[in-house]
Amino acid sequence: QLQLQESGPGLLKPSETLSLTCTVSGDSIRSSSYYWSWIRQPPGKGLEWIATIYFSGTTYYKPSLKSRVTISVDTSKEQFSLNLSSVTAADTAVYYCARHLACGGSGSCTFDYWGQGTLVTVSS
Amino acid sequence: QSALTQPPSASGSPGQSVTISCTGTSSDVGGYNYVSWYQQHPGKAPKLMIYEVAKRPSGVPDRFSGSKSGSTASLTVSGLQAEDEADYYCSSLAGNDYVFGAGTKVTVL
Repeated sequence: QLQLQESGPGLLKPSETLSLTCTVSGDSIRSSSYYWSWIRQPPGKGLEWIATIYFSGTTYYKPSLKSRVTISVDTSKEQFSLNLSSVTAADTAVYYCARHLACGGSGSCTFDYWGQGTLVTVSS
Repeated sequence: QSALTQPPSASGSPGQSVTISCTGTSSDVGGYNYVSWYQQHPGKAPKLMIYEVAKRPSGVPDRFSGSKSGSTASLTVSGLQAEDEADYYCSSLAGNDYVFGAGTKVTVL
């Protein structure tokens, strides 16, 4: 059974860089069928896709966040990571990592497995 | 402001049906058959309930069904049960973006 586990600091100050890691277990991050994503949810609000990466390093970013976001993958550790720079209070959210099925071809273009989420608070 | 429009709430008695709408544009819901629905209980991660408009993942009860007409997708929960009380979010591919609705809180009366 696939499991995803987020880890990283829970409290940041404004202007700092958010860094989170997602550890994948129960399946290989190098599987050709899957992509790996970050999604966030501000307290009491809806979901927002942030970025997606393929094990080869191909990346996709939400246009409105692209200037501040970097997603990377470490296949040797079965991990992928998120960096979000210059954070503000608006970046306070639960951050989820998720497995994404490809869009196009035989892919279903959906997020089928999610981690439990980690709350990141930005406050001075 | 979310890209997809959902009603904030919906409700029904046990055994009844409830339908949630998700309205987008021709750039997202109307342009792709990649609408998904997620169920989220308080303090928990979202769970995939419907993908590609109307397909159910293994293990999701057939009480959950999805459809789409034009730029509006819908999720219907038939035979409501107490455990169906949760927030439900729709999502869609939108070109080089991926968008969600603001969520609908379903209450089982």
